Amino acid sequence: EAGVAQSPRYKIIEKRQSVAFWCNPISGHATLYWYQQILGQGPKLLIQFQNNGVVDDSQLPKDRFSAERLKGVDSTLKIQPAKLEDSAVYLCASSPVVLSRGEKLFFGSGTQLSVL
Amino acid sequence: AQSVTQLDSQVPVFEEAPVELRCNYSSSVSVYLFWYVQYPNQGLQLLLKYLSGSTLVKGINGFEAEFNKSQTSFHLRKPSVHISDTAEYFCAVTGGYQKVTFGTGTKLQVIP
Repeated sequence: EAGVAQSPRYKIIEKRQSVAFWCNPISGHATLYWYQQILGQGPKLLIQFQNNGVVDDSQLPKDRFSAERLKGVDSTLKIQPAKLEDSAVYLCASSPVVLSRGEKLFFGSGTQLSVL
Repeated sequence: AQSVTQLDSQVPVFEEAPVELRCNYSSSVSVYLFWYVQYPNQGLQLLLKYLSGSTLVKGINGFEAEFNKSQTSFHLRKPSVHISDTAEYFCAVTGGYQKVTFGTGTKLQVIP
């Protein structure tokens, strides 16, 4: 079974530039998450999709971050413009079950973003 | 609201010694609890989870955790660690739907 795919693996940009990350979840997984993991901290949920609808985006900085999930499959996360404090690893995860607690999350390897 | 506290940011331990990684949680509703492990340059993967039933949960790689409702804890233990257990360990809680809240992580350093 193929895992959660993310690209790129690393990205270095200057502040005020734009950047986009891509995620392909495990086939058939209904729920998709984007987490931000700053060095020394635990993953923080940015946005949660159920199929192609947003379930929770309460911690997404909407003035600069946007995300979409096309046709309920792939997802992209965009930052425009980037700030120094956006330097982090961006993790994508997916889960097979619709709105049910207790299911484990399957994580991708993440995209490490450095903003200079 | 829900939160997770991992008091120890780093835990050094000699190989073949026992280890306990501490986790405390708070939630206004009943919870499901998880431990995830992150090896260097890899994504997180599930070690074990507590949903209901027996409070002692066994996971992969010889790890186990005990759910203690009165102390709101879910500590992770292993009786004898191996070099390959060197990783960062995250405790997580789900209190509603599938929103998962993670702790800040504990880096386990196994010393040969």
